[in-house]
Amino acid sequence: EIVLTQSPATLSLSPGERATLSCRASQSVSSYLDWYQQKPGQAPRLLIYDASNRATGIPARFSGSGSGTDFTLTISSLEPEDFVVYYCQQHSNWPHSFGQGTKLEIK
Amino acid sequence: EVQLVESGGGLVQPGGSLRLSCAASGFTFSSYSMSWVRQAPGKGLESVANIKQDGNENFYVDSVKGRFTISRDNAKNSVYLQMNSLRAEDTAVYYCAKGFGAIWGQGTLVTVSS
Repeated sequence: EIVLTQSPATLSLSPGERATLSCRASQSVSSYLDWYQQKPGQAPRLLIYDASNRATGIPARFSGSGSGTDFTLTISSLEPEDFVVYYCQQHSNWPHSFGQGTKLEIK
Repeated sequence: EVQLVESGGGLVQPGGSLRLSCAASGFTFSSYSMSWVRQAPGKGLESVANIKQDGNENFYVDSVKGRFTISRDNAKNSVYLQMNSLRAEDTAVYYCAKGFGAIWGQGTLVTVSS
């Protein structure tokens, strides 16, 4: 099973700042890496698919990069509604494992 | 509008069974694989099962193999998860998702407790 490790577990920033979230895979997943946002009490929402493609309706401040084992989700200028939890998921090999999540909190 | 609506969750005793259903609308259901993903209370996400477009290939996480069965009915635009021999550790919100996670339902809570 491919293990995804997200860092940091918690990221404390202020609105307007730039956020950089990391996801590292235990073996190569090529570009088969997605990012999700989950707000409290809601289902996850797809932000980025295949490492760098924004999903429909996702604001341009969200971007993804990386390939192989190292991936990054960048939020260029944080809005108040961005302070929630983010997960990465690989769909290279079954089971399609998720990272443990990064909580973005207001500093 | 693309929509997934889960149903069938509830309280069940250890060793019991439940069948979850997910009704899809707003897209060509038969063209997409479908997944079930769960989230235990206060925990992260776990892929449980996936079924290919024609239903002829399924995948399961090791912890549910032999106990859970994923199936689909393309004529009814629905995917199902039959859960047998339920354990306390199966307690979670169960989400169905289009493909690997492009669209998610609102989830249905399964609680396994005596």
